[in-house]
Amino acid sequence: DVKVTQSSRYLVKRTGEKVFLECVQDMDHENMFWYRQDPGLGLRLIYFSYDVKMKEKGDIPEGYSVSREKKERFSLILESASTNQTSMYLCASRWSGGAGTGELFFGEGSRLTVL
Amino acid sequence: GQQVMQIPQYQHVQEGEDFTTYCNSSTTLSNIQWYKQRPGGHPVFLIQLVKSGEVKKQKRLTFQFGEAKKNSSLHITATQTTDVGTYFCAGLNQAGTALIFGKGTTLSVSS
Repeated sequence: DVKVTQSSRYLVKRTGEKVFLECVQDMDHENMFWYRQDPGLGLRLIYFSYDVKMKEKGDIPEGYSVSREKKERFSLILESASTNQTSMYLCASRWSGGAGTGELFFGEGSRLTVL
Repeated sequence: GQQVMQIPQYQHVQEGEDFTTYCNSSTTLSNIQWYKQRPGGHPVFLIQLVKSGEVKKQKRLTFQFGEAKKNSSLHITATQTTDVGTYFCAGLNQAGTALIFGKGTTLSVSS
């Protein structure tokens, strides 16, 4: 089974702190994604990566950056956390080959609270 | 920009009743995926539809992809309490690189 592991299930940070959210997948997937989930807003794409050292902005990249130094690891960075970044963050990965788009495999999520 | 819209946002049914959620895209989709998220859980892939007019069934769940490939639906027959959760549809963005999700339909079922 594919496993996508997010480093922290719950975090509490203060405004202005730098925050790292780590995600590791064990199935050699090329594509990795970071979404945030907020009530009534569904899942919104922050950033994604289709290969090592490659990154693309999603719909809401402002205030975030990412790093993909190794194929299995995709990190989301909040350079200076703000209260409006309090949210559930979901990492996902998928294989890019074959027919169709390829299903996403999600991690358990990281619930971040910024005080 | 591209949008994927889902209705209704919430639906409450009595156990045994049917349930349908609808998904509409502002652009033609190459394919559409459906996910289910149980309360407190993460989204889990259910199915992918690729062909115009495609219909697929998984036990009590029926998925349809519209002829114009701009809409889709998920129908659950005779809901059970295990069907509780939020159902999301998702379509590829215009660049074909990432999935854009609808806001989801949250289903609650009372026994």
